[in-house]
Amino acid sequence: QVQLQESGPRLVKPSETLSLTCSVSGGSISSYSWTWLRQPAGKGLEWIGRIYISGSTNYNPSLKSRLTMSLDTSKNQFSLKLTAVTAADTAVYYCARDGGVWGIDYWGQGTLVTVSS
Amino acid sequence: QSVLTQPPSASGTPGQRVTISCSGSSSNIGSIYVYWYQQLPGTAPKLLIYRNNQRPSGVPDRFSGSKSGTSASLAISGLRSEDEADYYCAAWDDSLSGYVFGTGTKVTVL
Repeated sequence: QVQLQESGPRLVKPSETLSLTCSVSGGSISSYSWTWLRQPAGKGLEWIGRIYISGSTNYNPSLKSRLTMSLDTSKNQFSLKLTAVTAADTAVYYCARDGGVWGIDYWGQGTLVTVSS
Repeated sequence: QSVLTQPPSASGTPGQRVTISCSGSSSNIGSIYVYWYQQLPGTAPKLLIYRNNQRPSGVPDRFSGSKSGTSASLAISGLRSEDEADYYCAAWDDSLSGYVFGTGTKVTVL
């Protein structure tokens, strides 16, 4: 069974960089694509972006200028960096496996990141 | 910014059938597969339907999906108390080159 776990700072100051890592167990990161999503409190889901095993990416156009995603196959992890954060970036962040036509089929439990001074 | 439109709420009594609609456009639902996710309170979303109408292993056949043109629907038959959750439709959007989600529908079992 594939399992994902987000890790990283829970509190980030405005204008700084939000960094999260997703550790994958029960399967190799060298298969499938991997994605990040977020959900502000009481609101809906927002897709942040996807990274393919080749390292190429698709980013949400609204976040693209601030976003970097990467893979570390040696650690079976993938990461997210979002620069110049504001309070609007406060949300529960989820990492997940993108099964392509089979959907986003495995999710991490989510981690709340708060942007505040 | 949600590109797919869902009703904010739906409800039914145990045993009833509830249907949730999802309206999109030719660049998303109209051109590619629709997915449905269930989010129980305080938990991560779970894949409920993929490729318009396919159920992952373990999802009860009470849940069914359909698509017609630029709209899709999720039906829950034989409604149960444990079905109380938020439900989201989703699809890849060719214009945005990104995955888009619906606005979400909260299902209440009366």
